[in-house]
Amino acid sequence: SQQGEEDPQALSIQEGENATMNCSYKTSINNLQWYRQNSGRGLVHLILIRSNEREKHSGRLRVTLDTSKKSSSLLITASRAADTASYFCATPREYGNKLVFGAGTILRVKS
Amino acid sequence: GAGVSQSPRYKVAKRGQDVALRCDPISGHVSLFWYQQALGQGPEFLTYFQNEAQLDKSGLPSDRFFAERPEGSVSTLKIQRTQQEDSAVYLCASSLAPGPNYGYTFGSGTRLTVV
Repeated sequence: SQQGEEDPQALSIQEGENATMNCSYKTSINNLQWYRQNSGRGLVHLILIRSNEREKHSGRLRVTLDTSKKSSSLLITASRAADTASYFCATPREYGNKLVFGAGTILRVKS
Repeated sequence: GAGVSQSPRYKVAKRGQDVALRCDPISGHVSLFWYQQALGQGPEFLTYFQNEAQLDKSGLPSDRFFAERPEGSVSTLKIQRTQQEDSAVYLCASSLAPGPNYGYTFGSGTRLTVV
């Protein structure tokens, strides 16, 4: 029943490189959110982009949203070993009060 | 408190045992959510509270699962007669405003293992 689907499932890069993760979703949304989860921890909210926005930045993070293609991307620039984590996109269910999460992208940044 | 607090951090239960998982949301947060996360998967929605009202329990997998938030702050997720398939991490999240249109703050979760 997951609405968002991330790709790739796993990504391994060298420190300093950029990491790009993609998310596709199925229904109309009014916002899309990205979260990070370090191993054994809860999720941390990274950024929320509203449906009338096309791009949003926060530090080394850049999120884009294309509502015509029902897709979003998360770019992490100049990656660090500490960015190693799972990254999830989440969208509000069309009817109801909940966020629906994808299966996530596992990012490994090698130092 | 400064964040969402969940207890216990780890719970091992024998099959058939009842368990209770506690969530202390951020003070003043109206919305409270419970999610279940299986290994290698994204969180799956269980239930949603707005203050003390349970507005959505569509994700609860069976009638063995019960959640409450009687005073609109602390919440408890209870699982009766636990089964091995209940083994997962149970995450609680809270949000200042109603609904899913603002970022959630998650707790670190309770890892439940049913043996």
